[in-house]
Amino acid sequence: GAVVSQHPSRVICKSGTSVKIECRSLDFQATTMFWYRQFPKQSLMLMATSNEGSKATYEQGVEKDKFLINHASLTLSTLTVTSAHPEDSSFYICSARDAQRGTGELFFGEGSRLTVL
Amino acid sequence: QKEVEQNSGPLSVPEGAIASLNCTYSDRGSQSFFWYRQYSGKSPELIMFIYSNGDKEDGRFTAQLNKASQYVSLLIRDSQPSDSATYLCAVMRGSTLGRLYFGRGTQLTVWP
Repeated sequence: GAVVSQHPSRVICKSGTSVKIECRSLDFQATTMFWYRQFPKQSLMLMATSNEGSKATYEQGVEKDKFLINHASLTLSTLTVTSAHPEDSSFYICSARDAQRGTGELFFGEGSRLTVL
Repeated sequence: QKEVEQNSGPLSVPEGAIASLNCTYSDRGSQSFFWYRQYSGKSPELIMFIYSNGDKEDGRFTAQLNKASQYVSLLIRDSQPSDSATYLCAVMRGSTLGRLYFGRGTQLTVWP
């Protein structure tokens, strides 16, 4: 099956620093990727839709300037959490859709657990 | 009202029993419906999807969709301890394929 890789899987940073998380589709091209955030015992919350070659589309309530998304190629999207604070500590998960499949089936990355001290 | 609601459980069934997981959604324009399984600390993995009214079977799993009632369910037959996980219902709506909205999940425990 299709593989989506996220890196890093775990990151600890100090408050006020920025953290970049990468999401790669390894064996397919993904014109669209999605970023989710999941707090403990909560659902996955869609943060934004990442579009290759254009600006990301953010969900209501998600700060564009805080969560910078770049989708520079058909296989890579990055999420940068700028000026991270402890309340940004969460499990961030990306997903990608294989453009060759018409079902909309998503393939998820392994997730990145961010801890802000 | 939340967009996707699930009975949060926990749901506990004995090995070999049928586990029934339920989900309702608020947007009648929703097009496709997905069931994911998530183990603690891991990302979700797709079990199955359904987009037409009725039942869809895949091995021990059966998804049921009733768009008139805005209801989707997942039945797990012959439940195994390895099925113990959180089951997430997700709904796709809008014109962007792959844009999913998730419920909070139902925690299932299958005891031997």
